[in-house]
Amino acid sequence: AAGVIQSPRHLIKEKRETATLKCYPIPRHDTVYWYQQGPGQDPQFLISFYEKMQSDKGSIPDRFSAQQFSDYHSELNMSSLELGDSALYFCASSEGRLLRSPLHFGNGTRLTVT
Amino acid sequence: AQSVTQPDIHITVSEGASLELRCNYSYGATPYLFWYVQSPGQGLQLLLKYFSGDTLVQGIKGFEAEFKRSQSSFNLRKPSVHWSDAAEYFCAVGAGNTGNMLTFGGGTRLMVKP
Repeated sequence: AAGVIQSPRHLIKEKRETATLKCYPIPRHDTVYWYQQGPGQDPQFLISFYEKMQSDKGSIPDRFSAQQFSDYHSELNMSSLELGDSALYFCASSEGRLLRSPLHFGNGTRLTVT
Repeated sequence: AQSVTQPDIHITVSEGASLELRCNYSYGATPYLFWYVQSPGQGLQLLLKYFSGDTLVQGIKGFEAEFKRSQSSFNLRKPSVHWSDAAEYFCAVGAGNTGNMLTFGGGTRLMVKP
C-alpha cells in the first residue's frame, strides 16, 4: 500500500541557510501534519492543513512556514536555520477531518544544521 | 493544556514475558488517546487508539490498552513479548480540529532479552 513520502530523506545545511522539506500524503488523504522530533525527544506538533487551509498550529517557529498545495502535497519552509533546528521532521496524513481517521506517518527527513 | 507522562524511560523484558507500559495523561475533557511505536530511523506506527466506548482497546500486533478515567491512565499491555517488539513506544493525547494534534509522552524504550 502507498505510504506517506517525504523528501529528502537527509538534509545538511549551514546556520542561517534555508531548507524546504516536502511531503506527499497517501492518495485521497487531504489532511497533512508536520511534527519535529529532536534527538532523544518526543515528537512535537508543528502545524496541520486540511484542504489546503491551515487547520491547527502548534509550536512552529516564526522562521518556519508551511503550505498545502492543490495536489495535497505539503512543503515546510525553514529559514535562518539554527543549530537547534537539527531534528527529524515527520509528515503525517489522514483522510478528512474525521476524528477517527488515523494518522499515517512518513519515515521523516533528518535535518542537520552545522 | 494537555500533557502525557510515561514514567518508565527504559524497560527490559524477556522474550515471552508479559509487558505493561504506563501512560498517564492530563486533559480537561474526554481525551483521545493513542499508542504509537517507533523503530530506529523510522516513522511512527499507530498501535491503537481510544476515543470513546469500551475502555479496553485492542490494537495491532497483539497489543491492548485500557483507559481508566479515575486514574487518568492508558496503559499498554501485551501478554507475550516477541523480540521484534523492541522499539520506542509513545503514548499520546489528541486535540485540535481532527483530534490528531498530538501531544506525546517522552517515550519508553523497550528492550527484549532472548
